[in-house]
Amino acid sequence: GNSVTQMEGPVTLSEEAFLTINCTYTATGYPSLFWYVQYPGEGLQLLLKATKADDKGSNKGFEATYRKETTSFHLEKGSVQVSDSAVYFCALDTGRRALTFGSGTRLQVQP
Amino acid sequence: DAGVIQSPRHEVTEMGQEVTLRCKPISGHNSLFWYRQTMMRGLELLIYFNNNVPIDDSGMPEDRFSAKMPNASFSTLKIQPSEPRDSAVYFCASSLPVGLENTEAFFGQGTRLTVV
Repeated sequence: GNSVTQMEGPVTLSEEAFLTINCTYTATGYPSLFWYVQYPGEGLQLLLKATKADDKGSNKGFEATYRKETTSFHLEKGSVQVSDSAVYFCALDTGRRALTFGSGTRLQVQP
Repeated sequence: DAGVIQSPRHEVTEMGQEVTLRCKPISGHNSLFWYRQTMMRGLELLIYFNNNVPIDDSGMPEDRFSAKMPNASFSTLKIQPSEPRDSAVYFCASSLPVGLENTEAFFGQGTRLTVV
């Protein structure tokens, strides 16, 4: 079956530090890959996506590259801000639109 | 568009009571999903609909849970009878038809259910 594995959190960083949150997946076929972000008390918002191998999704300074050879979609940001503190979810979709999520990684950015 | 609208935002009920959660998807979206979020199990897909028809309900925990989508603009998730282990945040999401671009799911703000 399909599954997504994320690094466990919380990840605690100082402002302007470099961020990496690891995500690997197992899926049949060629899934689309997503990162969603959840701010406290809110629903999930799409952060970025990639639909095929070697695609790079980017948004708000965050990037992730679809690596088929390593079945990975790691999230990166060069300089985090306090406002980036949230829970980040990696997810995949094999075409039926129902997402399979990872367990989420909480990011805490300190001033 | 107002986005996916869920109601209520918070629900506290006693064990054994019936609970109904409501969702209005984004207009024009023909896929609708119900997810449950707990600390222990993370985000789980409960059921999803395409064109108001349930496609996959394998994630529904047990017979106490039921979901309906009587029309394209409304869906309900019902728990009867409710139990304390049902306490969670329930999210509804919707997306455009398969085959179109911009196919990401848009989530509502969730309903936080507490069963005491």
